[in-house]
Amino acid sequence: RKEVEQDPGPFNVPEGATVAFNCTYSNSASQSFFWYRQDCRKEPKLLMSVYSSGNEDGRFTAQLNRASQYISLLIRDSKLSDSATYLCVVKIYNQGGKLIFGQGTELSVKP
Amino acid sequence: DARVTQTPRHKVTEMGQEVTMRCQPILGHNTVFWYRQTMMQGLELLAYFRNRAPLDDSGMPKDRFSAEMPDATLATLKIQPSEPRDSAVYFCASAGLVTDTQYFGPGTRLTVL
Repeated sequence: RKEVEQDPGPFNVPEGATVAFNCTYSNSASQSFFWYRQDCRKEPKLLMSVYSSGNEDGRFTAQLNRASQYISLLIRDSKLSDSATYLCVVKIYNQGGKLIFGQGTELSVKP
Repeated sequence: DARVTQTPRHKVTEMGQEVTMRCQPILGHNTVFWYRQTMMQGLELLAYFRNRAPLDDSGMPKDRFSAEMPDATLATLKIQPSEPRDSAVYFCASAGLVTDTQYFGPGTRLTVL
């Protein structure tokens, strides 16, 4: 079983739709949580960190449930430019900043 | 605009040849990571360094891969001899001392024929 598991996707949605991605992690020593975005043939880039209280950045909302070891990302009013692969990422406590990446969920927003 | 740079961006080579990939981390960043990305396995951590010292290289096949950081501005990943299964995109990332954020370079797309 992978340490970080995500919805397999792909998600194909129309512009303006709301879409949610889910992620579960298996290591209870996980310390920090992130969503990265990766465009086709490009490098991953940090989208947002995920905090226990939940956090929002414009149209993006991230939630963390430590008890269930579950992370989510909600995108509202999706744009064509949101089309990308979204990577769920976990940092393990006391492993020197090592990040564990999920396989990614591909999102395609159509006109 | 500080960024991680990697060279070469693309490399096509034949099986058995040596491949060296280079990375220049963001100035002032003290942690450098090497990742490999394939369709099948996704993004995998190969090795990482802090203050130029290797912290973890458990993700790296030791028989053919080696990673070094000869100075604070250069990290290298070498494959010798290369095999077709090494074909992948190799990313370098760097991070500073007080932030969780890793900044990725553009990657080296390696094809071993």
